[in-house]
Amino acid sequence: AQKITQTQPGMFVQEKEAVTLDCTYDTSDQSYGLFWYKQPSSGEMIFLIYQGSYDEQNATEGRYSLNFQKARKSANLVISASQLGDSAMYFCAMREQGFGNEKLTFGTGTRLTIIP
Amino acid sequence: NAGVTQTPKFQVLKTGQSMTLQCAQDMNHEYMSWYRQDPGMGLRLIHYSVGAGITDQGEVPNGYNVSRSTTEDFPLRLLSAAPSQTSVYFCASRLIGPYGYTFGSGTRLTVV
Repeated sequence: AQKITQTQPGMFVQEKEAVTLDCTYDTSDQSYGLFWYKQPSSGEMIFLIYQGSYDEQNATEGRYSLNFQKARKSANLVISASQLGDSAMYFCAMREQGFGNEKLTFGTGTRLTIIP
Repeated sequence: NAGVTQTPKFQVLKTGQSMTLQCAQDMNHEYMSWYRQDPGMGLRLIHYSVGAGITDQGEVPNGYNVSRSTTEDFPLRLLSAAPSQTSVYFCASRLIGPYGYTFGSGTRLTVV
C-alpha cells in the first residue's frame, strides 16, 4: 500500500530564507508520480509541482523545486527566497501510475509560517 | 476559465437527510475524483471516475454515491447524512497522463 509521511507538523521561517519541507513515501510500484499542493487559509488546493518516478532531473517550477531522491524514497519541496504569501499548509501526495489508478494518497501536511 | 466549480460552498444537514454536492469542470478532463478532508489528516479519496459512465470506489466510499453521465459533471450524493460525514469535500479533475489534479474550492459540510 502506498503511504506518504510528512514529519514536520509546523515550521517557522524568516522571510527571504529558503525552506525545505520533508516528504518520504512508500510504494512497491516502479511507476508513480509525486505531487506537492499548497492550501492557504482560504482553503483551496493549489497544485505546485510534479515529479515522475522515471524523471532523471529534479522538477522545478519558479521558486519551487523538488529534491527527488529515489533510493531514499524522499521527495522534499524546496522553496527559495520565501515570501509572506508562502504561509500555508503544504501537502505531499503520490499516485501510482497505471490505467485506472486514481488514488492520490496525501500526507498529513506541514503548516508553514513565514515571519517578516 | 471557470476550472472546477463546486456548489454549494457551505451546507448544514440534519442526521438522516440526503443531499447532492455538485461538481462541474470545463477543461474537458477525463478523470474526476471526490476527496474529503478532516482535521489533522490529508485528503482521502471517496470515489473517482476515469470517464463518462465509469466510476469506482476510493478509500472511504461508504455512505456516498456517484454517477458520471457527462464528461463535465460528477455529483456526489450523501444517502443518509451522519455526523461522521462532517468534513470539507473537494472535487478534482485532471487530464489523462502524468498530470496533477485541479481542485475545486471545496464544500464545507456540517451534519448535526
